Amino acid sequence: DGGITQSPKYLFRKEGQNVTLSCEQNLNHDAMYWYRQDPGQGLRLIYYSQIVNDFQKGDIAEGYSVSREKKESFPLTVTSAQKNPTAFYLCASSISSGQGNNEQFFGPGTRLTVL
Amino acid sequence: QKEVEQNSGPLSVPEGAIASLNCTYSDRGSQSFFWYRQYSGKSPELIMSIYSNGDKEDGRFTAQLNKASQYVSLLIRDSQPSDSATYLCAWYNFNKFYFGSGTKLNVKP
Repeated sequence: DGGITQSPKYLFRKEGQNVTLSCEQNLNHDAMYWYRQDPGQGLRLIYYSQIVNDFQKGDIAEGYSVSREKKESFPLTVTSAQKNPTAFYLCASSISSGQGNNEQFFGPGTRLTVL
Repeated sequence: QKEVEQNSGPLSVPEGAIASLNCTYSDRGSQSFFWYRQYSGKSPELIMSIYSNGDKEDGRFTAQLNKASQYVSLLIRDSQPSDSATYLCAWYNFNKFYFGSGTKLNVKP
């Protein structure tokens, strides 16, 4: 059963704590993305990666870090430097970075709450 | 600034009617356009992709693309209460996807 999995579904963080959100895909997609969605708002790009061992900052990268050591995995760390991390985090993937059939699919999301 | 403009709604239509959702975009270079449906508390689900001018139909959904006027629209025929959700338009260029803020659709029984 192909798809994108994210874990955990819900995550609670204390002030000053780093947390890591998992994202795995078995679609053999080259590109992976992390977005943040606040209530009633659109999607904002945090980081994206086109190939293994390479990634680029999106529009709101401050306070976040990522790694891309394997094609199927793209974990996101929310650091203590992110002052307002409570949000819905969405991981996505697409086939390639070129034009054409580059549909993007989303995982189920992780809802992060700061206590 | 690459932008996507959507009317946030809510757009209310009666059951069985046609719902029309519109989106304008700022970058003429894009070649790929998408519509996503997002239910409350869930992740976005891809429902339509369109790459060339004209109409593309899939069941009750029709996507329309006009690159000269820089707009893309989604028509939902025979709207059902289960279609009530937020619809996001998106376009792709230079390795990134750009999303509108979404239009909330309410289909009233």
